Amino acid sequence: QSALTQPASVSGSPGQSITISCTGTSSDVGGDNYVSWYQQHPGKVPKLMLYDVSNRPSGVPDRFSGSKSGNTASLTISGLQAEDEADYYCSAHRTTPTLGGVFGGGTKVTVL
Amino acid sequence: EVQLVESGGGLVQPGGSLRLSCAASGFSFNTYNMNWVRQAPGKGLDWVSYISSASTSIYYADSVRGRFTISRDNARTSLYLQMNSLRDEDTAVYYCARGLSRDRSGWYFDSWGQGTLVTVSS
Repeated sequence: QSALTQPASVSGSPGQSITISCTGTSSDVGGDNYVSWYQQHPGKVPKLMLYDVSNRPSGVPDRFSGSKSGNTASLTISGLQAEDEADYYCSAHRTTPTLGGVFGGGTKVTVL
Repeated sequence: EVQLVESGGGLVQPGGSLRLSCAASGFSFNTYNMNWVRQAPGKGLDWVSYISSASTSIYYADSVRGRFTISRDNARTSLYLQMNSLRDEDTAVYYCARGLSRDRSGWYFDSWGQGTLVTVSS
């Protein structure tokens, strides 16, 4: 099962906006709207940031937003802050060849 | 408050077995789907297995199918992962992760345990 494709790293200055892409296939990212994003700081547990492409759980700042077009989903962080420096992973529901889940390889976000 | 506490990790030789447990509290365990997700040292997240609230649907990643078995005991509010024929590449922190409630459609993990480290080495 191939992982979803994410850029290895993305960087930006405080206050800027950055976007992380997550590319899959019609069997996962493109198959439904069940794309989610997770933030993980070093040595910490992953934290759900977005679900169903663009929905934010309670407590997640509204500067985190999501979208999807075809087989590619995106996470945008607007007004980048120092505490946003972390690894980010996308995840999707996969329907073929077997049911299950899949993660992206992860993107390291650096705040310059 | 949702709490997920994994246990059972440790050092095991290649070809050996290990059983992981996840004790859940703070929510109606029997109404939620559950998952195991792992992370090899310095690597990304890797989904391992899913079990529905009543154990009627079970899925596995190709890399573990036939070697790992997921199960749950709703009376004990616990999730399990029986791991057999372990390989070096199974070395990872294993997280218990809560999925959606049984009456919802979707796929995400909204609560995670702290993880338990499994090391496969001779």
